[in-house]
Order: sequence, then structure tokens, then C-alpha cells
Amino acid sequence: QKEVEQDPGPLSVPEGAIVSLNCTYSNSAFQYFMWYRQYSRKGPELLMYTYSSGNKEDGRFTAQVDKSSKYISLFIRDSQPSDSATYLCAMSKTSYDKVIFGPGTSLSVIP
Amino acid sequence: DGGITQSPKYLFRKEGQNVTLSCEQNLNHDAMYWYRQDPGQGLRLIYYSQIVNDFQKGDIAEGYSVSREKKESFPLTVTSAQKNPTAFYLCASSPRDRGPTEAFFGQGTRLTVV
Repeated sequence: QKEVEQDPGPLSVPEGAIVSLNCTYSNSAFQYFMWYRQYSRKGPELLMYTYSSGNKEDGRFTAQVDKSSKYISLFIRDSQPSDSATYLCAMSKTSYDKVIFGPGTSLSVIP
Repeated sequence: DGGITQSPKYLFRKEGQNVTLSCEQNLNHDAMYWYRQDPGQGLRLIYYSQIVNDFQKGDIAEGYSVSREKKESFPLTVTSAQKNPTAFYLCASSPRDRGPTEAFFGQGTRLTVV
């Protein structure tokens, strides 16, 4: 079993839709959870950073962590064509520990 | 503008050759990292360095080598011993008081063995 699992997609949604991206993990020691956005042939950029459980909101993006279920989510409201990218989840036991990345979910937002 | 510069963007290598990927940052970050990205897999850590003249192996260091002679620079050499080097290589950095959880990434180098 992989430490971090993520549906690769592709996920295709119409502009304005609410998008839900998810990851599951197996190591209950993970406490730091990140979401990266990666455009084609570019490096990843950090979108959201969450410690422990709960929700964090930043503009149209909401990150949610459910440690009891070992499940994290990224919600994108009012999705835009510019949101079309691959979204990587990542997690770590401490802020200085090795980061484990999911394989990414490819998202296309159709105008 | 501060950032991480990786060069070249595309690199082609013949089998049996060593190649060096460049990574330079002007963010004054202490820690630097090299990751490899393959389709359908998460990023995997090759090497990392937390300070000049010191570096540590990551999960997939075999067939790779690095140096850290300057704070700004962390070049990666892909040697002929690396059995399957075709991949997208990403360099990242983070400041002293932040770990790899808050790393900034470069734009990557796509290496293809021909």
C-alpha cells in the first residue's frame, strides 16, 4: 500500500463548478498537509499548508483535513480555466521531516 | 526577482554519459533539495542539503551525485550508473526556519536519454 494515494483523474468540470480533490494516506503520524498546483511542464507551487486537523480557507480554495479518516481534501469554488493543472497533495510528520507526495490529480476546467 | 533557476529546461543524454543539471537560487535559503518526478508517481527525494559543504542522500540517490560548494548552487549529476534517468527533475529550496514542507520549486529540467 502506498503511503499517499490520489486519484490521477483526469477530472473535467465546467467553469464555475465546485471541485473536490482528495487524498488518502496510511501513516497516522502525518501532521503537516500541503496542496501544490503544477501547471504543465512547470514546477509545483505551494497552494495550501495545514497543520493537524481542521479547515483552512484562502480565497476560492479550502483545505480540509480529517485525521481520524486519514483523508484530506482541497475544494475549489467558482473554478476557472486558469485552475486547469495537476494538483499534488503532500504530507509530513514534522515541518522538517521528509515530505511524501501523492501522484497528483489532473484537472481541466472547461470554459 | 527572487527565485530558483534550473537549467537547461530540456536535456538529452546518450546512454553511458554523465550529465549535470544546474540549480541556482537567490532566495538566501539554507536548504536545497532535488526531486525526481515520473508519470503516475509522487515526487521522490534524490538528495538534500541543509548547509554548504554538507548533503544527505534521499530515497533514490543511487546513480546520482551532488555538490554544495556555494549557498546559492546545488548541481545534480546524473551518472551512467542511473539505470532509468529519463524523468522530470525538480530543484527546491527552503529557509533555515522552514523545512521542506514550505519549499519553493524551480521550473524543472526534463531529461531524456536517447
